[in-house]
Amino acid sequence: GQNIDQPTEMTATEGAIVQINCTYQTSGFNGLFWYQQHAGEAPTFLSYNVLDGLEEKGRFSSFLSRSKGYSYLLLKELQMKDSASYLCAALSNDYKLSFGAGTTVTVRA
Amino acid sequence: IAGITQAPTSQILAAGRRMTLRCTQDMRHNAMYWYRQDLGLGLRLIHYSNTAGTTGKGEVPDGYSVSRANTDDFPLTLASAVPSQTSVYFCASSDSETAEQFFGPGTRLTVL
Repeated sequence: GQNIDQPTEMTATEGAIVQINCTYQTSGFNGLFWYQQHAGEAPTFLSYNVLDGLEEKGRFSSFLSRSKGYSYLLLKELQMKDSASYLCAALSNDYKLSFGAGTTVTVRA
Repeated sequence: IAGITQAPTSQILAAGRRMTLRCTQDMRHNAMYWYRQDLGLGLRLIHYSNTAGTTGKGEVPDGYSVSRANTDDFPLTLASAVPSQTSVYFCASSDSETAEQFFGPGTRLTVL
């Protein structure tokens, strides 16, 4: 089966940086996705990594190490609107996404 | 329609009743998916369809069925609802199996 682990909750101050770690074990691997989900809303796509390394997209960056089965999402210059759940998801060999339970990030003033 | 829509937004259903959740996308995406989201468990794949006319089972398919008669529509049917099917259901679509998935707004289903 698939196993995706990420912390349940994180709290940070406005303007700070937060790093959300994710480890995965899947039947083969075709990439790692990060989604953002605000309370009561649908998940929205943030990033996709298939090769090792760091992908930067504005205030958000995502890192992947395939050999370690590890990824992280880095949120910089935190804003109140970044308070949300962040979902790590691994794409297996049969192209099915397996999601972690999500990390709830709370940004405090 | 812009993107992906789901109906109904929410529903309360008596156990044993049949229910169909509707999903429609206007992006001409090949692949469509149904997930359920439960507290502490994250999103779990119920069924998927890589292209019109084909469907496949996900992680938690029991008690659910789907059909994909055309590109745009992907309904999910609960033949005889049970309380454990109380959940938030999300439909999603993607251009290909490795592309980002776009999610609908969700259907909150309560089975009593």
